[in-house]
Amino acid sequence: QVQLVQSGAEVKKPGASLKVSCTASGYTFTGQYIHWLRQAPERGLEWMGWINPNNGDTKYAQKFHDRVTVTRDTSITTVSMILSSLRPDDTAVYFCARDRSDTRTIPLAIYDSWGQGTQVSVSS
Amino acid sequence: SSELSQDPAVSVALGQTVKITCQGDSLRSYYANWYQQKPGQAPVLLIFGKNNRPSGIPDRFSGSDSGDTASLIITGAQAEDEADYFCNSRDSSGDPYVFGAGTKVTVL
Repeated sequence: QVQLVQSGAEVKKPGASLKVSCTASGYTFTGQYIHWLRQAPERGLEWMGWINPNNGDTKYAQKFHDRVTVTRDTSITTVSMILSSLRPDDTAVYFCARDRSDTRTIPLAIYDSWGQGTQVSVSS
Repeated sequence: SSELSQDPAVSVALGQTVKITCQGDSLRSYYANWYQQKPGQAPVLLIFGKNNRPSGIPDRFSGSDSGDTASLIITGAQAEDEADYFCNSRDSSGDPYVFGAGTKVTVL
């Protein structure tokens, strides 16, 4: 079955960088987009960006475009998200999610499988 | 970024029907997708596109749309349906996707 397994919880200082990984299994890794989203306490979901695992193309939300980088390693079917210059308001649960859309088409943000979430706390 | 509007909370009696709405300009051009999220868990896709349910989702969940508003209908709500429900869609201005802030459903 499809599984997305994320790396563990992180505690960071303001100004530091964060790396969260998402390892996929149970399907053809290069066949579908992976998105990153986050959910702050008592708030809705916020889209951060996506990667096409087939060719490495990425697109980021305007809010994060200068702080976020998403990469993939096809040899270990893993997508990683790096968020730099962390601030306290980056405290959130970070999710990776698989887009139902094939990488030969455009990503429609129909998330049919999710990672378990990674709790990130940013505090001095 | 939450640019789709949802009521913060609704309640429904056990076995009754509840409609959860999602409103925004993007819905005039794109379908809404609906997710259920229980505390401490990742969201689960319920409805996508024009009222499509992934395998394993009960048929008491359905979707509809009209103009700038999409709706998720739970027909015959069960105790296990108590959760947060949120919508998302594509968008043609700014970022390519928008989300609702979610509606908390309480089953009485």
